Amino acid sequence: QSVLTQAPSASGTPGQRVTISCSGSRSNIGSNYVSWFQHLPGTAPKLLIYRNYQRPSGVPDRFSGSKSGTSASLAISGLQSEDEADYYCATWDDSLNGPVFGGGTKLTVL
Amino acid sequence: QVQLQESGPGLVKPSQSLSLTCTISGSSVTTGGYYWSWIRQHPGKGLEWIVYFYYSGSTYYNPSLKSRVTISADTSKNQFSLKLSSVTAADTAVYYCARRPYGDKGGATFDIWGQGTLVIVSS
Repeated sequence: QSVLTQAPSASGTPGQRVTISCSGSRSNIGSNYVSWFQHLPGTAPKLLIYRNYQRPSGVPDRFSGSKSGTSASLAISGLQSEDEADYYCATWDDSLNGPVFGGGTKLTVL
Repeated sequence: QVQLQESGPGLVKPSQSLSLTCTISGSSVTTGGYYWSWIRQHPGKGLEWIVYFYYSGSTYYNPSLKSRVTISADTSKNQFSLKLSSVTAADTAVYYCARRPYGDKGGATFDIWGQGTLVIVSS
């Protein structure tokens, strides 16, 4: 069971805006920065968002991150077929004194 | 362009040790400014941090795995390695190596990952 909680699945149609949520606690999301990763099975996970809302160079601005209290969200606007992937949230946990991850959300583009 | 590549046996017998290597290209394990990490994903589950280290500094372990984990670096081959002892079926997972910036306090900014390698623990 993952420390951070994500819905196992989400879906949307091309062009739509979808939001993926990540829930934690005061010792992790509540007091630290959240990252988001995109993962296609068999490939290297890709960093999409760090420090709650920052995008690495090369990540389209269709991807945006936010955090409020002990929850965080990843929003994908203008959904495209190539966005179909697994998405994971992550942050630091002060109790573990290490990074923790969510269980992942499988996004399907209908 | 920095790339990481995991390698190692895909099948390990219970009670034996699992040994994996991460080969770095486009950067160096001795380069300041980065932690080098191992992370795993059990089948159908989320990700789990195992260990990370700073080449000229300290090593940090997941407390649940610390007693079984050894990490080392081979600067001549620009590699770092994971050894997990006394494995059981519960250690069956895809193992990833990843890089994290040194100044990433309070974050989980793993900016470069390998593709992962599946290790099955079975007799």
